[in-house]
Amino acid sequence: NAGVTQTPKFQVLKTGQSMTLQCAQDMNHEYMSWYRQDPGMGLRLIHYSVGAGITDQGEVPNGYNVSRSTTEDFPLRLLSAAPSQTSVYFCASSYSLGGGQDTQYFGPGTRLTVL
Amino acid sequence: DQQVKQNSPSLSVQEGRISILNCDYTNSMFDYFLWYKKYPAEGPTFLISISSIKDKNEDGRFTVFLNKSAKHLSLHIVPSQPGDSAVYFCAASVLYSGGGADGLTFGKGTHLIIQP
Repeated sequence: NAGVTQTPKFQVLKTGQSMTLQCAQDMNHEYMSWYRQDPGMGLRLIHYSVGAGITDQGEVPNGYNVSRSTTEDFPLRLLSAAPSQTSVYFCASSYSLGGGQDTQYFGPGTRLTVL
Repeated sequence: DQQVKQNSPSLSVQEGRISILNCDYTNSMFDYFLWYKKYPAEGPTFLISISSIKDKNEDGRFTVFLNKSAKHLSLHIVPSQPGDSAVYFCAASVLYSGGGADGLTFGKGTHLIIQP
């Protein structure tokens, strides 16, 4: 199993550009989520999905869109990038919702810089 | 308002000694707690967890203690090894009766440095 994969690893955008961060998992997990990590801020939940076709907002959803058309994929879209979105983005997946007897498995991250 | 707090940004411990990482939380609804370990340029990896119905959980060199009345948990690593040098995140979640949750709330992390 590849686990949770994210592409690209690095990306530089100009303010106002759009892009999609890709996330895929091959563990048949129902739950997937996106976090961002900023210096001194820990990880903050952006959006999450409890299954194909179902998404919800986390702590910091503004400026980001998500969709979940398949169990395997959970892309994160930045419609109009802003410097405040410069961060490291982590995708995670788990069998259920963040707690209980399972844990979340994280991807290696995408480092995004918005100029 | 930060609901999960790790007040020590860094901690330096000598190899072979005990490392104690602390975490405090303010949301009394949290009922499941986890510790993640993160190396540079990698995603966090799960280390150990504890349910609010327990006060201790042990896995090899790692033990997590939970004090619900103080809203405090700690991670003990004994003995500390050079490979333990990493950033450790405390995380918490609320489990609902239907089995769902809203995802994890993370602390800011503690950078543990194991000195030879």
